[in-house]
Amino acid sequence: KAGVTQTPRYLIKTRGQQVTLSCSPISGHRSVSWYQQTPGQGLQFLFEYFSETQRNKGNFPGRFSGRQFSNSRSEMNVSTLELGDSALYLCASSSTPTGAGQLNTEAFFGQGTRLTVV
Amino acid sequence: AQSVTQLGSHVSVSEGALVLLRCNYSSSVPPYLFWYVQYPNQGLQLLLKYTTGATLVKGINGFEAEFKKSETSFHLTKPSAHMSDAAEYFCAVSDLLGGATNKLIFGTGTLLAVQP
Repeated sequence: KAGVTQTPRYLIKTRGQQVTLSCSPISGHRSVSWYQQTPGQGLQFLFEYFSETQRNKGNFPGRFSGRQFSNSRSEMNVSTLELGDSALYLCASSSTPTGAGQLNTEAFFGQGTRLTVV
Repeated sequence: AQSVTQLGSHVSVSEGALVLLRCNYSSSVPPYLFWYVQYPNQGLQLLLKYTTGATLVKGINGFEAEFKKSETSFHLTKPSAHMSDAAEYFCAVSDLLGGATNKLIFGTGTLLAVQP
């Protein structure tokens, strides 16, 4: 079956602009998480959506937002871009959220969107 | 809070040599632990995971890891390195303190170089 699809793969934006990134999870998966990867900060959790509801949010400013649609596809938006937002943005798809005592569900990652802010 | 620490941001081995990548975790609850690999310009691929049960976990591509609670470690090993193993490796723990979530907390990564 098809994996996690992120579009676009590469983006170049100017400071102050906004950007929307898209993630289509594996068919049947309802949980989508987003991560930012930079050389300086490594992999940092942005947020997680399950059944169109935000379940968890990382420590990022309000310029970073996301949503999930009824077909489980997710988008994240970054407004008023800053140079420091240049990063690889990764999306992960899982079947259900995992909790203590529950059977762990594997996260499948997309290839990411490389955002460059100039 | 939960966290993982990867010792050694760069590791270099010769082809055919043992690969040992170190990961120590901190968790106030029994952890779920993972190792992921990332090739250049790619996403993350799961190598193996530990949730409960057997403490020696076998993964893909000949990798394995052993969960040692007494040492709070989950080191990744492979008996014989191949050139194709050159990549960045990340250790991660599930944020089980965050309720029902798939949030992963990652280490800073170890870049593995394999010399011919």
